[in-house]
Amino acid sequence: GQQLNQSPQSMFIQEGEDVSMNCTSSSIFNTWLWYKQDPGEGPVLLIALYKAGELTSNGRLTAQFGITRKDSFLNISASIPSDVGIYFCAGQFDAGGTSYGKLTFGQGTILTVHP
Amino acid sequence: SAVISQKPSRDICQRGTSLTIQCQVDSQVTMMFWYRQQPGQSLTLIATANQGSEATYESGFVIDKFPISRPNLTFSTLTVSNMSPEDSSIYLCSVRDGLSYEQYFGPGTRLTVT
Repeated sequence: GQQLNQSPQSMFIQEGEDVSMNCTSSSIFNTWLWYKQDPGEGPVLLIALYKAGELTSNGRLTAQFGITRKDSFLNISASIPSDVGIYFCAGQFDAGGTSYGKLTFGQGTILTVHP
Repeated sequence: SAVISQKPSRDICQRGTSLTIQCQVDSQVTMMFWYRQQPGQSLTLIATANQGSEATYESGFVIDKFPISRPNLTFSTLTVSNMSPEDSSIYLCSVRDGLSYEQYFGPGTRLTVT
């Protein structure tokens, strides 16, 4: 089945620094989603990407859908303490039938921001 | 985006018992899903909850262990049956927006089996 490799597994940065994380897949997706999960909460959708090559921003967050459709990255600029959490990428490939809407998740990137 | 609530938010259960988790959405949605997140791990899809028909289970998950109901377009339940400590996880309900294809998650149910 499809597998997602997300890196890095964890990051320790100073407030104000920029952050970059990425996901690569063994097969193509037609949608990439990026989520943030705080302790004790469900994942919150940050950015959704629908087209190969698409670059989308949401405030200090920028994400891109790779040209090959097998990768995506998320950048956070000028990090702040509330950026702390676990970031997950998720890929979706709607081939119809039983695969419709199914998300495959990366392993997550744990972000720690030191004030 | 849809507002999703889950009950209970957490529970501690004895092995061998069953727990039913409820998921309520504030709007009608076609697609609802149940995910499991084991401690320190990522999310894994258990099944797609189909309205009016049997749920579609992913490899490694079976109906006898995780029966699912979907009586209407705003509500679903997941039962974790005959629990063992290995079932200790966060169980999450999610819905897919039919127009944008975005998926949203509920707050999760944190289950501990002793």
